[in-house]
Amino acid sequence: KQEVTQIPAALSVPEGENLVLNCSFTDSAIYNLQWFRQDPGKGLTSLLLIQSSQREQTSGRLNASLDKSSGRSTLYIAASQPGDSATYLCAVRSGGATNKLIFGTGTLLAVQP
Amino acid sequence: NAGVTQTPKFRVLKTGQSMTLLCAQDMNHEYMYWYRQDPGMGLRLIHYSVGEGTTAKGEVPDGYNVSRLKKQNFLLGLESAAPSQTSVYFCASSLTINTEAFFGQGTRLTVV
Repeated sequence: KQEVTQIPAALSVPEGENLVLNCSFTDSAIYNLQWFRQDPGKGLTSLLLIQSSQREQTSGRLNASLDKSSGRSTLYIAASQPGDSATYLCAVRSGGATNKLIFGTGTLLAVQP
Repeated sequence: NAGVTQTPKFRVLKTGQSMTLLCAQDMNHEYMYWYRQDPGMGLRLIHYSVGEGTTAKGEVPDGYNVSRLKKQNFLLGLESAAPSQTSVYFCASSLTINTEAFFGQGTRLTVV
């Protein structure tokens, strides 16, 4: 059974700092991994999708890496801003016949002005 | 382009009542998912569908039923609501297994 873990559960950083969020998964047989952002009381917004054959994907100040063999992904946020404050979730698309999209429990990020 | 739309946005039910949550997507997506989100538990998959006319169980399917009679709609039913089903429900869809999943804005359900 695929299990997805995100560490830390919460993180507080001063504005301008670069930071890394971690995601690990137990079964390396995945199609892809997606990072989302969720603001309080809102739905999920897709940030980056990284395919199993890719090592990294970039969008603006965000960079996601994937090491499928070790079951790990990181989301790097450069020059953090207060507007980056949100919960960040990673989800893996399981391989094989199930095609499930399984989520981690998220990292709550607070960027202090 | 509306994307993924969930109806209703809020609902209060009494224990034992039934209701149906509607998820509609206008992107011609094949894959659709229903999740519930609870504090400390994260997003848990209830049921999902890999195409019109198909459904499959997720991690927490008990107490829920689903139907995908039309490609654009994925319905989640609660036959006899229980307080344990108080949660925020999210629907998601994707074109294929290799493309992004998009989420609706959620339905906040309270069962009293």
